[in-house]
Amino acid sequence: GENVEQHPSTLSVQEGDSAVIKCTYSDSASNYFPWYKQELGKRPQLIIDIRSNVGEKKDQRIAVTLNKTAKHFSLHITETQPEDSAVYFCAAIPNTDKLIFGTGTRLQVFP
Amino acid sequence: DAGVIQSPRHEVTEMGQEVTLRCKPISGHNSLFWYRQTMMRGLELLIYFNNNVPIDDSGMPEDRFSAKMPNASFSTLKIQPSEPRDSAVYFCASSFSYANEKLFFGSGTQLSVL
Repeated sequence: GENVEQHPSTLSVQEGDSAVIKCTYSDSASNYFPWYKQELGKRPQLIIDIRSNVGEKKDQRIAVTLNKTAKHFSLHITETQPEDSAVYFCAAIPNTDKLIFGTGTRLQVFP
Repeated sequence: DAGVIQSPRHEVTEMGQEVTLRCKPISGHNSLFWYRQTMMRGLELLIYFNNNVPIDDSGMPEDRFSAKMPNASFSTLKIQPSEPRDSAVYFCASSFSYANEKLFFGSGTQLSVL
């Protein structure tokens, strides 16, 4: 079945710097790749997603890139702010139609 | 819309007791998911329903866990008997898409089994 690996597990950056989180997947049939943000004690919330027919998608300070050949996708956050501090989860949907989550990255943005 | 509604928010129970978690999905959504979140295992999918029918329950840990969706607006996850290792945050999520995209999560139930 699909396996999604996520790195790093923790990431600390200075406010204003960029942050990059990377995920790899195993099932080449996966065609949908969302990213969820979970603030401390809150629910996961979808922040951006990308489909396999697109290489890059941007929404203000966040962007996601997809490399289908290498089977990896990344989340990029520019001009980080303290409110970006959270756990970020990547995910993929293979043919089983079951969303498989990565293990999460704890991002800390220091003022 | 109020979003996905879960109850209770917190549940503390003793080992061996029955626990029932409840979920009301967003109106019009046709897929419903139960996830368990722990520090060690992250977000695990337990079971999901499409149009009230269980599609995949391969994530249900063992026979002590059961889930039902009697209608489009209500689902329950039951643990009987509960054990300390069941302590976790249990999330319900719903989605409009049959392809299970764009999940909307509830606030979760923090379960502590003593």
